[in-house]
Amino acid sequence: KAGVTQTPRYLIKTRGQQVTLSCSPISGHRSVSWYQQTPGQGLQFLFEYFSETQRNKGNFPGRFSGRQFSNSRSEMNVSTLELGDSALYLCASSLAGVRQETQYFGPGTRLLVL
Amino acid sequence: SQQGEEDPQALSIQEGENATMNCSYKTSINNLQWYRQNSGRGLVHLILIRSNEREKHSGRLRVTLDTSKKSSSLLITASRAADTASYFCATDVLGNAGNMLTFGGGTRLMVKP
Repeated sequence: KAGVTQTPRYLIKTRGQQVTLSCSPISGHRSVSWYQQTPGQGLQFLFEYFSETQRNKGNFPGRFSGRQFSNSRSEMNVSTLELGDSALYLCASSLAGVRQETQYFGPGTRLLVL
Repeated sequence: SQQGEEDPQALSIQEGENATMNCSYKTSINNLQWYRQNSGRGLVHLILIRSNEREKHSGRLRVTLDTSKKSSSLLITASRAADTASYFCATDVLGNAGNMLTFGGGTRLMVKP
């Protein structure tokens, strides 16, 4: 079974631009979560989607948004990019999005904002 | 904000030695999980321990949980060079809906051959 895939793997943008990242969960998984990893703030939860609905949202500004499609694939969008948005963005999928359930992480998308 | 704090931040040992990493957290939890990350890549789930469990084993890994002290430890026995990675604890905080993990700052482990 294929793992979680994220595209693109690397991205360079300039301040003020917007970016869309994509995550394809493991087949059959319905929950997708997004995390931002930076050297300064570490790993921080962005949001979680389950059955096309946002179920949880972390403490990030409204410039960060996401959505999930009927096939469980998810996208996150960052508008009006800032230098501080440079990070590794990780998505994770799980089968039913319930507690005590293993989350499987993708390889991440590394975003550099110049 | 980070729920967990890990100690030490960095650890360097020789192959064959044991490595112990500690994690402290602030609020009540449903479960605590440990993940490994190699060189800024994706996270690999290692082990999950529920709040009503005190110890769990998986291969060369041993995890303990002390909810009264809000702390956990990860022991890797007979370490190998391939264990070189960053290790993160993550908590599923009591009261959160759905899947939402709060990660600690991580321990960078280097195992020298």
